[in-house]
Amino acid sequence: NAGVTQTPKFQVLKTGQSMTLQCAQDMNHNSMYWYRQDPGMGLRLIYYSASEGTTDKGEVPNGYNVSRLNKREFSLRLESAAPSQTSVYFCASSEGPGSGANVLTFGAGSRLTVL
Amino acid sequence: GEDVEQSLFLSVREGDSSVINCTYTDSSSTYLYWYKQEPGAGLQLLTYIFSNMDMKQDQRLTVLLNKKDKHLSLRIADTQTGDSAIYFCAETPRDSNYQLIWGAGTKLIIKP
Repeated sequence: NAGVTQTPKFQVLKTGQSMTLQCAQDMNHNSMYWYRQDPGMGLRLIYYSASEGTTDKGEVPNGYNVSRLNKREFSLRLESAAPSQTSVYFCASSEGPGSGANVLTFGAGSRLTVL
Repeated sequence: GEDVEQSLFLSVREGDSSVINCTYTDSSSTYLYWYKQEPGAGLQLLTYIFSNMDMKQDQRLTVLLNKKDKHLSLRIADTQTGDSAIYFCAETPRDSNYQLIWGAGTKLIIKP
């Protein structure tokens, strides 16, 4: 199984440009997430989708939009990129917490540089 | 708000035990996790522990939870070069099962 697949792996943008990060999972997971990782700061949640048809803001949603296209796919869009959005972005999925642990499966990451 | 703290670096000799520590502030957290990130890769779950447990062992890994001190540790026995990675501690706060709180990660450096 491929697990969680993110595209692109690398992207360089100019300030003000827009782009969409794509994510797909093949594990029939209910929940999907977008995180950003910055040095020394751990992971910060941008948006998540608890189930198909729902999306919710995380800790750092400003400047981003998301779409849960179907159960498999969850995209992250930067409408007008800023240098502060230079980061490594991770998509993750999980069955959802239910009544137990919420174990996330991560993609390999997308490194975005905004000049 | 809730916070999870870890040291940024740990250096150990190959064959020794590594102990990575984590402290958290949310006394009502339900699950606590350890994830591993190898260079250029995403995070992978190593193990997790439910808040009513004190210890969990899985092969070379031992997790200890001290709820009184809000302290979580990960012990890796017989550390190998393949254990070189960044280790992240995370917790599930009781008020939001979806929004895990993450530590900044501890980079484990193995000396020959």
